[in-house]
Amino acid sequence: AQTVTQSQPEMSVQEAETVTLSCTYDTSESDYYLFWYKQPPSRQMILVIRQEAYKQQNATENRFSVNFQKAAKSFSLKISDSQLGDAAMYFCAYKERSQGNLIFGKGTKLSVKP
Amino acid sequence: GAGVSQTPSNKVTEKGKYVELRCDPISGHTALYWYRQSLGQGPEFLIYFQGTGAADDSGLPNDRFFAVRPEGSVSTLKIQRTERGDSAVYLCASSRTSGTYNEQFFGPGTRLTVL
Repeated sequence: AQTVTQSQPEMSVQEAETVTLSCTYDTSESDYYLFWYKQPPSRQMILVIRQEAYKQQNATENRFSVNFQKAAKSFSLKISDSQLGDAAMYFCAYKERSQGNLIFGKGTKLSVKP
Repeated sequence: GAGVSQTPSNKVTEKGKYVELRCDPISGHTALYWYRQSLGQGPEFLIYFQGTGAADDSGLPNDRFFAVRPEGSVSTLKIQRTERGDSAVYLCASSRTSGTYNEQFFGPGTRLTVL
């Protein structure tokens, strides 16, 4: 079965600095997607960034970028120029192309210090 | 436009009672998903619908849990004989379809507390 592991329960970053959140996953499939979701205290999950496994180029969305290492099954999220509004739970998620559901990690709580 | 909505926002019930949780997906989205998020955990998949039919219900923990989507829009998650271990946030998401890649848009969830 596919699993997603986030080994950092909590992380802290100074405002305007850069932070990297780690994620590893386990799968025998070759065609899948990876995601980072943000969940603020309002509980609403918000998609931050996604990566298709067949694409070698790392995805980037403004201040958010990923380091996708397919062979190592690693998918880390880098947040540059951290802002107070970035404080939230961040979840890494996996989805097979042929399946509908997402598989989530346990999350990393990110704090941003002013 | 309107996002995914879920009602109620919070539900407190007693052990052994029956509860219904409602999800209104984004208009036109044919796929609808239910997840359960226990305290300190990531969301866990329960069931998803493509149209009116359950395409995958492999995440339902036992036969006390049931979900319907009779007209292919609104969905109701039903929990019979609730137990304290059912306490969690129940998240609903919808997407245009379930195939390939279609972004899942999440609702704010229903926090269920079983006393």
